[in-house]
Amino acid sequence: DIQMTQSPSTLSASVGDRVTITCRASQRISSWLAWYQQKPGKAPTLLISRASSLQGGVPSRFSGSGSGTEFTLTISSLQPDDFATYYCQQYDNYPYTFGQGTKLDFK
Amino acid sequence: QVQLQESGPGLVKPSQTLSLTCAVSGGSITSGANFWTWIRQDPGKGLEWIGHTSYSGKTSYNPSLKSRVLISLDTAQNQISLKLTSVTAADTAVYYCAGGVGFIDYWGQGTLVTVSS
Repeated sequence: DIQMTQSPSTLSASVGDRVTITCRASQRISSWLAWYQQKPGKAPTLLISRASSLQGGVPSRFSGSGSGTEFTLTISSLQPDDFATYYCQQYDNYPYTFGQGTKLDFK
Repeated sequence: QVQLQESGPGLVKPSQTLSLTCAVSGGSITSGANFWTWIRQDPGKGLEWIGHTSYSGKTSYNPSLKSRVLISLDTAQNQISLKLTSVTAADTAVYYCAGGVGFIDYWGQGTLVTVSS
């Protein structure tokens, strides 16, 4: 299985901060990577597919980059609604696998 | 807009079979290139991909569960089903049905299944 490792596991930040979450794959996955946001008690929602393709309706302060084994999710200016847990997922090889999550909380 | 809704028992006894269904509305499970997927999440923990199937018959399961899992489509009811046999406490989780083409576009709200006697 491809292991997806996110860092950090927890990130404390303030409204207006620029934050970056990293996701590393244990082997190359080209750009077959997605990012999701999950709020407590809710299903995840898709933010970004194909490493950098922003889904419709997702604010432009979210961006993704990377290919191969290293990927980043950046939020350019944190808003109150962004405090949540973020997951990466690879869909290059079966079984598809997720990172362990990065919890973004208030500093 | 495709919507998914899981249903099934919230409590299953150890060694029994967990059976869930997922009603799909706003679109047909026979259309498009979607893979219909089940994902689970241990309470307070991360996400585990269980497997997926497509109307064209392409199916893949997580090897960690492969010997116990079956995902199937009911085109008449526009539903997706999950069966997981010989469950243990380790199978306690929120189970999500989902759809997408690798990444997941559509998620159900999730249903908590507890395995306990």
